[in-house]
Amino acid sequence: DARVTQTPRHKVTEMGQEVTMRCQPILGHNTVFWYRQTMMQGLELLAYFRNRAPLDDSGMPKDRFSAEMPDATLATLKIQPSEPRDSAVYFCASGWGGGGQETQYFGPGTRLLVL
Amino acid sequence: AQSVTQLGSHVSVSEGALVLLRCNYSSSVPPYLFWYVQYPNQGLQLLLKYTSAATLVKGINGFEAEFKKSETSFHLTKPSAHMSDAAEYFCAVSGYNTDKLIFGTGTRLQVFP
Repeated sequence: DARVTQTPRHKVTEMGQEVTMRCQPILGHNTVFWYRQTMMQGLELLAYFRNRAPLDDSGMPKDRFSAEMPDATLATLKIQPSEPRDSAVYFCASGWGGGGQETQYFGPGTRLLVL
Repeated sequence: AQSVTQLGSHVSVSEGALVLLRCNYSSSVPPYLFWYVQYPNQGLQLLLKYTSAATLVKGINGFEAEFKKSETSFHLTKPSAHMSDAAEYFCAVSGYNTDKLIFGTGTRLQVFP
C-alpha cells in the first residue's frame, strides 16, 4: 500500500530556530504539494513541484520559507528563522500531475509548535 | 477564480440517520470537484471526485455526491451514518487549466449513538 511519508511527525522548537520537514512522495508520482493547515486559515497551498521543478510558491512567505526537491524521492520544507505564527500542521501530498482532475495523496502531516 | 463554500462548520447526526454535507462552488471554467475526509491526527483521504463524467459520483464508505451545475452544488450524502464517519470533511475545486486544489473551510461531522 503506497503512502506519502513525512518526518518528523511532531516538532517543538523555539522561536528563531531552523525547522526542516521532509516528505517522501509515492514512487512514480511526479507532482509534490506542500500545504499548511491552521484553525484560522484552514488549508493553504504553500508550494508545489512538477518533476522536481518548482511550479508555484506564491503561497509561501519567501523571507523565511524555502522548499526544494533534492531528488525524486525527497521533498523538503525549511523555515528559518521560525516564528510562533508558523505553528501549524504541514502536509505534503503527491500525485500524477495530469491536470486538475488528478487525485492528491496526502501524508500524515508534521505538527509544528514554535514557542 | 475558483472557490468553494461549505455551509455549516459543524453537523451532528444520530447513528443511522442521513448525512448531508453541503458544498457550493464558483468556477470560471468547468470544475473538477472533490470531497476529502480527515480523521483526527491524520492526513486527508479522497472520498470521491467529479471529473465531468457521471454527475452522480459514488465514493468510499457508502458516500456519494451529485454535481448540479444549475445550482453550482456538489453536496455529499450518505444514507445511514456510522460512528466511524465522525471526521472533518473538505470540499475542493480544481479545473482543467490548473493543478491546484482550492479547499473549503471544512465541516466537522459528529455522529451520536
